[in-house]
Amino acid sequence: DTEVTQTPKHLVMGMTNKKSLKCEQHMGHRAMYWYKQKAKKPPELMFVYSYEKLSINESVPSRFSPECPNSSLLNLHLHALQPEDSALYLCASSQDRQAKLFFGSGTQLSVL
Amino acid sequence: QKEVEQNSGPLSVPEGAIASLNCTYSDRGSQSFFWYRQYSGKSPELIMFIYSNGDKEDGRFTAQLNKASQYVSLLIRDSQPSDSATYLCAVKVDNFNKFYFGSGTKLNVKP
Repeated sequence: DTEVTQTPKHLVMGMTNKKSLKCEQHMGHRAMYWYKQKAKKPPELMFVYSYEKLSINESVPSRFSPECPNSSLLNLHLHALQPEDSALYLCASSQDRQAKLFFGSGTQLSVL
Repeated sequence: QKEVEQNSGPLSVPEGAIASLNCTYSDRGSQSFFWYRQYSGKSPELIMFIYSNGDKEDGRFTAQLNKASQYVSLLIRDSQPSDSATYLCAVKVDNFNKFYFGSGTKLNVKP
């Protein structure tokens, strides 16, 4: 089983809204990631959690707030987003040593 | 300086031909190399990974790694229209949970 589950699949929000993206994996992976992908661009790393601790923050604006409640779950809290934040948000996980990165199906976010 | 470079394409090949996709990387500390396929509007799907110099084959796909020249390639034999997608090369520098992605090569397989 190489499944990473993301919800919701689509999200439309206004600039004053607060919403959360959710991600779950049951592969026992100890590293979990948030990526942002704009159309025709490669995935852009936002955050990495390793063993439930934030290990990498790629200078992401504070309107994006990650949370890792346990080793299987990863959330991304969104607040006061801008229209330019509209993108496909991808969650991924990897086993620390084996290093293969598995993506979820993504959340297509539109900010109005 | 880009960490991972790919020709953006599009690369057009006829059905049944071999498609050859290339990728170069800059960090000599890179140890793990991956190819992802991404259909429009979908998430990247891992199709090949390679850790050692040489070739690795899986069905119609062959990954080739040359660490001395710092390049990775993907060959797709007997290309099918369903192979039409963007192919992303990714490189991981060991000891860091950070994957560097190339900008992707768009492949069109014409029936």
